[in-house]
Amino acid sequence: EVQLVESGGGLVQPGRSMKLSCAASGFTFNNYDMAWVCQAPKKGLEWVATISYDGSSTYYRDSVKGRFTISRDNAKSTLYLQMDSLRSEDTATYYCARHGSYYYWGQGVMVTVSS
Amino acid sequence: DIMLTQSPATLSVTPGESISLSCRASQSISTNLHWYQQKPNESPRVLIKYASQTISGIPSRFSGSGSGTDFTLNINRVEPEDFSVYYCQQSNSWPDTFGAGTKLELK
Repeated sequence: EVQLVESGGGLVQPGRSMKLSCAASGFTFNNYDMAWVCQAPKKGLEWVATISYDGSSTYYRDSVKGRFTISRDNAKSTLYLQMDSLRSEDTATYYCARHGSYYYWGQGVMVTVSS
Repeated sequence: DIMLTQSPATLSVTPGESISLSCRASQSISTNLHWYQQKPNESPRVLIKYASQTISGIPSRFSGSGSGTDFTLNINRVEPEDFSVYYCQQSNSWPDTFGAGTKLELK
């Protein structure tokens, strides 16, 4: 069974940084692209970033380019999202997801950007 | 980016009814369209992949159809546990995009 467990969320001030982690199990992690998808409170789903199975390629939505960095450690079956220069509009639940053409999702972690 | 328009935004039904939810793409996406269910305070789960293909473990009352720009998620005889928000997602063109969702609520 695919399991994705996120950690690292919480309350952070605007302009500060936060790093999310996602521990994967139940599948061969280094065979799959992985992604982060977010959901602002009471809103819909929005793709944030994707990293290729081997970490050689990364892709970001425009609003986070230059501020967020997606990375992975295949030896540890772990995905990361480094979020810098956080803004109030980044407040959302962030889901780690296995990214084929469709997604398998973790349980999500809440990030609140507020002073 | 490809826009996905879901309708209706909210659908009120009674258990036992059979329903159809719509997802329309701003340009042709072949059958690269997937459906998700999200229950309150839970993460989404995939219901249907590639417009009409079933997912292991998903009840057979869920089915999908469509290609090109028009897609439908059907629920045959809604069960109480089906009251959720349903999203469509396209993987035909980068970046992946999601519809705004249809909320299925109890009448």
